[in-house]
Amino acid sequence: DAGVIQSPRHEVTEMGQEVTLRCKPISGHNSLFWYRQTMMRGLELLIYFNNNVPIDDSGMPEDRFSAKMPNASFSTLKIQPSEPRDSAVYFCASSLGQTPDTQYFGPGTRLTVL
Amino acid sequence: EDQVTQSPEALRLQEGESSSLNCSYTVSGLRGLFWYRQDPGKGPEFLFTLYSAGEEKEKERLKATLTKKESFLHITAPKPEDSATYLCAVQAGNNDMRFGAGTRLTVKP
Repeated sequence: DAGVIQSPRHEVTEMGQEVTLRCKPISGHNSLFWYRQTMMRGLELLIYFNNNVPIDDSGMPEDRFSAKMPNASFSTLKIQPSEPRDSAVYFCASSLGQTPDTQYFGPGTRLTVL
Repeated sequence: EDQVTQSPEALRLQEGESSSLNCSYTVSGLRGLFWYRQDPGKGPEFLFTLYSAGEEKEKERLKATLTKKESFLHITAPKPEDSATYLCAVQAGNNDMRFGAGTRLTVKP
């Protein structure tokens, strides 16, 4: 299996631009998680889906962030408009259940907002 | 508020020099405590889950233990390939996940 696939791996954009991060979970997994990692705040859960339905989005920092999962094999995390404080590594993870011990993480997308 | 504190922030060991990493936590209704390993430029990799005080889990040179206030990750006779950042996370009764800042371990040959 190819594991969780994220694209792009690196993204550099200017403040105010729209950014879309993409994730392809492991085939057969029914839960998908988006995380953000920074030096200041560590790893934070932003949102997670179960069977393509958003279950908990309480970690989404503000309305500029949105996430979708149109089908079982694809999810997006969008930031519009982007700000320099959004600079971080964004990870996607997928699992067979909703518990953290079955999660497999992707390689992450390093986002830099200038 | 739920909190997870890991210590030390960084640890340098000689190959074969055993040591322990600490994860102290305050959480409402612990559902589980999780240890992950993270290599540079990669996502975290799950190591262990602990659910109740007194529980222990082992994998190769790693052993995780849990009390009501903290967890330890013991590393016995580490090798250079054990160098990584080790993350601890707790899941509260409301299913919220909170991660510690991690301990960056370096094992010198």
